Amino acid sequence: DAGITQSPRHKVTETGTPVTLRCHQTENHRYMYWYRQDPGHGLRLIHYSYGVKDTDKGEVSDGYSVSRSKTEDFLLTLESATSSQTSVYFCAISESPDHYEQYFGPGTRLTVT
Amino acid sequence: AQKVTQAQTEISVVEKEDVTLDCVYETRDTTYYLFWYKQPPSGELVFLIRRNSFDEQNEISGRYSWNFQKSTSSFNFTITASQVVDSAVYFCARKSGGYNKLIFGAGTRLAVHP
Repeated sequence: DAGITQSPRHKVTETGTPVTLRCHQTENHRYMYWYRQDPGHGLRLIHYSYGVKDTDKGEVSDGYSVSRSKTEDFLLTLESATSSQTSVYFCAISESPDHYEQYFGPGTRLTVT
Repeated sequence: AQKVTQAQTEISVVEKEDVTLDCVYETRDTTYYLFWYKQPPSGELVFLIRRNSFDEQNEISGRYSWNFQKSTSSFNFTITASQVVDSAVYFCARKSGGYNKLIFGAGTRLAVHP
């Protein structure tokens, strides 16, 4: 199994508060991703990173920011959490361009009340 | 956007039945990659298979098989002699652009009953 951890695994927060989710990998993979999973939508890409300090927006990036200061860590921040951001968040990693599959972390269940 | 469509939202079968999960994709690329992932009730996402557009051979892995047909833009997944442990949500995905980004279908929830 790919070494990917996410923290926290569960979080309940109030509307308007900032929240940061952490993804940590021990595989030294170059690419990292943040997805959200909601019923009926599958997984939707929020942001991704193609190297240290190199990030870009995905399909549903509004209200989210990311940072990657080290190869192994990719942070997702909800600047001011809203109830619509209640979801399960998955981090994923992928190796070089020759290895196209992504491997996923265990997920973080976030509830915004 | 070039979509991935999994038209079956939920499928319910009895153990030992064969079941096929459909996946239809859209793409304008001549080279592309398709994937299947499994999400069991425990919630993790498990990579099952990657298929590239150059290889139209069917793939078989134990009770699992995949049928890739470029003519119909489909990449269907069949489980033979289903078991209760096959109960999960299954996602089909397509590589989208650079950096190995993926577009996922909405998923098919498979329930296998004893």
